[in-house]
Amino acid sequence: NAGVTQTPKFQVLKTGQSMTLQCAQDMNHEYMSWYRQDPGMGLRLIHYSVGAGITDQGEVPNGYNVSRSTTEDFPLRLLSAAPSQTSVYFCASRQGAGSNQPQHFGDGTRLSIL
Amino acid sequence: SQKIEQNSEALNIQEGKTATLTCNYTNYSPAYLQWYRQDPGRGPVFLLLIRENEKEKRKERLKVTFDTTLKQSLFHITASQPADSATYLCALDMGPGAGNMLTFGGGTRLMVKP
Repeated sequence: NAGVTQTPKFQVLKTGQSMTLQCAQDMNHEYMSWYRQDPGMGLRLIHYSVGAGITDQGEVPNGYNVSRSTTEDFPLRLLSAAPSQTSVYFCASRQGAGSNQPQHFGDGTRLSIL
Repeated sequence: SQKIEQNSEALNIQEGKTATLTCNYTNYSPAYLQWYRQDPGRGPVFLLLIRENEKEKRKERLKVTFDTTLKQSLFHITASQPADSATYLCALDMGPGAGNMLTFGGGTRLMVKP
């Protein structure tokens, strides 16, 4: 199994550009989420989904959009990139609703906004 | 909102010694607490989960304690090895209002010297 796959691994954007970070999982997990990781800040939840067609906001949702049309895919969109969005982005999935379920993470997308 | 504190300073220990990492949290006590390992350039990897009614959990050389009175978890690695060098993250659930998604501490970097 590939687990959680994120693409691209690295990306440089100019302020104002848009892009989509891709995330796919092959474990048939219901729950998927996006985090950003900044030095000294830990992982912060951006958006999450509890199943296909259902999404909700996390701690830091501003500037990001998500959709969940299939169980496998959960893309993250930056509509108008800002330097404050320079970060490492991680996608994660887990089996179900309980917080006793371990999360599986991708290896991240390193995004720089100039 | 839930706040998690981990020692942001790196922990340097000698090979063979026991490493002890601390995770403190505020506000409500979660039903579960999880520990993850993160290597440079990689996503976090799940290590252990402990329930609120468990005082201690072990897995090979790893031991986790959970004190809901002190609102603290300790993570121990016995007989540490250079391969244990990584950043270790603790994570708690954000409650049903946030889909039981996880919130993470900033992590503690462990360096085991041969």
